[in-house]
Amino acid sequence: GAVVSQHPSRVICKSGTSVKIECRSLDFQATTMFWYRQFPKKSLMLMATSNEGSKATYEQGVEKDKFLINHASLTLSTLTVTSAHPEDSSFYICSAIQGMAGSQPQHFGDGTRLSIL
Amino acid sequence: GQNIDQPTEMTATEGAIVQINCTYQTSGFNGLFWYQQHAGEAPTFLSYNVLDGLEEKGRFSSFLSRSKGYSYLLLKELQMKDSASYLCAVRDSNYQLIWGAGTKLIIKP
Repeated sequence: GAVVSQHPSRVICKSGTSVKIECRSLDFQATTMFWYRQFPKKSLMLMATSNEGSKATYEQGVEKDKFLINHASLTLSTLTVTSAHPEDSSFYICSAIQGMAGSQPQHFGDGTRLSIL
Repeated sequence: GQNIDQPTEMTATEGAIVQINCTYQTSGFNGLFWYQQHAGEAPTFLSYNVLDGLEEKGRFSSFLSRSKGYSYLLLKELQMKDSASYLCAVRDSNYQLIWGAGTKLIIKP
């Protein structure tokens, strides 16, 4: 149980392109989803926390207009990297919590490797 | 500030036992998690501790001492597939997950 699907797994595109990444909880309802990015050999960096039906909470230093997050349902959150540039190239990972936080772990999607040329 | 410390890298031998330590200083405590992350892949959940003591799950065990701000992950009967990074994460009083930088575990035959 607690499967999170993330799509696409890899994107290569030109500078200036907008890229949408989807994160779905397949067998549970996720009231809260998280978006991370990770650079090679570095720790996970939380970008934003997304609650269904409300605006995402962004971490300090993360541009809201650059990284658009939509959590329209209890099973789907999307991250759109707008007008992507080479410095946005990274590994983006979503995670979701089943029910209330409490003792529930975050279950991760498989990640999206984004490469901007 | 909030801080989680774990060794950057460890090396162990196939079939042996290894202990990965994690110390933390956070604003409040609502549980500690261990995750495994293979290179190029997303983390997978290993264990959760919220009370002091040892939690055992097959070859993996995790220990917590809240008074010392300390945890360890114990891996027994090491296999080559256990080569990965192991991430320690603490949930603080705001239920935010604070991540350690991870310990890269190298298993040698």
